[in-house]
Amino acid sequence: AQSVTQLGSHVSVSEGALVLLRCNYSSSVPPYLFWYVQYPNQGLQLLLKYTSAATLVKGINGFEAEFKKSETSFHLTKPSAHMSDAAEYFCAVNADTGRRALTFGSGTRLQVQP
Amino acid sequence: DGGITQSPKYLFRKEGQNVTLSCEQNLNHDAMYWYRQDPGQGLRLIYYSQIVNDFQKGDIAEGYSVSREKKESFPLTVTSAQKNPTAFYLCASSIDPAGNTEAFFGQGTRLTVV
Repeated sequence: AQSVTQLGSHVSVSEGALVLLRCNYSSSVPPYLFWYVQYPNQGLQLLLKYTSAATLVKGINGFEAEFKKSETSFHLTKPSAHMSDAAEYFCAVNADTGRRALTFGSGTRLQVQP
Repeated sequence: DGGITQSPKYLFRKEGQNVTLSCEQNLNHDAMYWYRQDPGQGLRLIYYSQIVNDFQKGDIAEGYSVSREKKESFPLTVTSAQKNPTAFYLCASSIDPAGNTEAFFGQGTRLTVV
């Protein structure tokens, strides 16, 4: 079985501050991990993905995430928040366990204060 | 442009009626998915299809039905058996039927029971 836990349903940061969104996964086999962003009333857009190559993954819009097997984590970071980063962020996992679809976390809503 | 088109964007249903949500993709992807999104619950998998004329139940398939007669199309029917259908529905596709690559999402259909 595979699952994802996102700690913190709401995160608020000031513009220019560090963004840290937490994601922990559970998988019995090496996972593929993804971060998506969703703006209101829209679909999901891929930010970045981990597919067993480099453990530090760089994505779009200045975001990056580090895969830490020992901690079963894949936290999303951005050094300096921008107002346009305000959105909902989802972590997702897939692993070769027979389930042929991504499993999503419950999401974290990021608020950026001016 | 290549992508996934969901229609309609907004849909209203009377209690006891069946409704069908459309999803079309021109990405030549083998796999397609339907997810349901409710506030605070992330995305939950309804059905997925890895190949034409084949599909599998996801985590919350009760009250829903799908078909995959063409590679490009994966319509979702919300039946009267679905007791709480009001939600945001997202269709996605992936080039890898095993689900180990990213999924691309449509813009969603918001269904409201009136």
